[in-house]
Amino acid sequence: AQSVTQLDSHVSVSEGTPVLLRCNYSSSYSPSLFWYVQHPNKGLQLLLKYTSAATLVKGINGFEAEFKKSETSFHLTKPSAHMSDAAEYFCVVSSSGSARQLTFGSGTQLTVLP
Amino acid sequence: EADIYQTPRYLVIGTGKKITLECSQTMGHDKMYWYQQDPGMELHLIHYSYGVNSTEKGDLSSESTVSRIRTEHFPLTLESARPSHTSQYLCASSLNVGTGNTEAFFGQGTRLTVV
Repeated sequence: AQSVTQLDSHVSVSEGTPVLLRCNYSSSYSPSLFWYVQHPNKGLQLLLKYTSAATLVKGINGFEAEFKKSETSFHLTKPSAHMSDAAEYFCVVSSSGSARQLTFGSGTQLTVLP
Repeated sequence: EADIYQTPRYLVIGTGKKITLECSQTMGHDKMYWYQQDPGMELHLIHYSYGVNSTEKGDLSSESTVSRIRTEHFPLTLESARPSHTSQYLCASSLNVGTGNTEAFFGQGTRLTVV
């Protein structure tokens, strides 16, 4: 079995300040982990993925995430928020032993204040 | 750019009508998925497929049905639409499990409103 918990349903930051979106997972198998972003009325876009290579993963638009096995975490960060980062972010776990393969977190709505 | 397409993007339809939401991908992916997402809410898996002639129900019960006659095509059908079916429907595809844990590619979604 696998599950994903996004610890914050809403996060608000000021433009130019750091972003931290938290994600914890559980998985019976070696997981792959992903962050997706969804802008209003748009489909989901892959930000970055961890697939058992380097634990610090760099994605698009300046985002990065660190896989910490001991903490079962995969938090998403960005040093400086931009207004265009305002969106819904989903943490996703995928395990080779899971028939459905993908399990989504409940999402974190990021608001960026001017 | 992911090559997965959903049509229509928006649909407003009357109660009782039969509708089919189309989803096609040109990446040769074996696995395809349908998710339902209400505004501001998480995604719920309603159907998935391992390949041709394979379909399974997902975590969220749905009155919709799906078919997988061709690898690239995974349509979703509602025989009799009701207002409770109003939602956004997202289609996705990914390489098969045997090729590793690859990411899913999503279509733009179909926003369905049943009046």
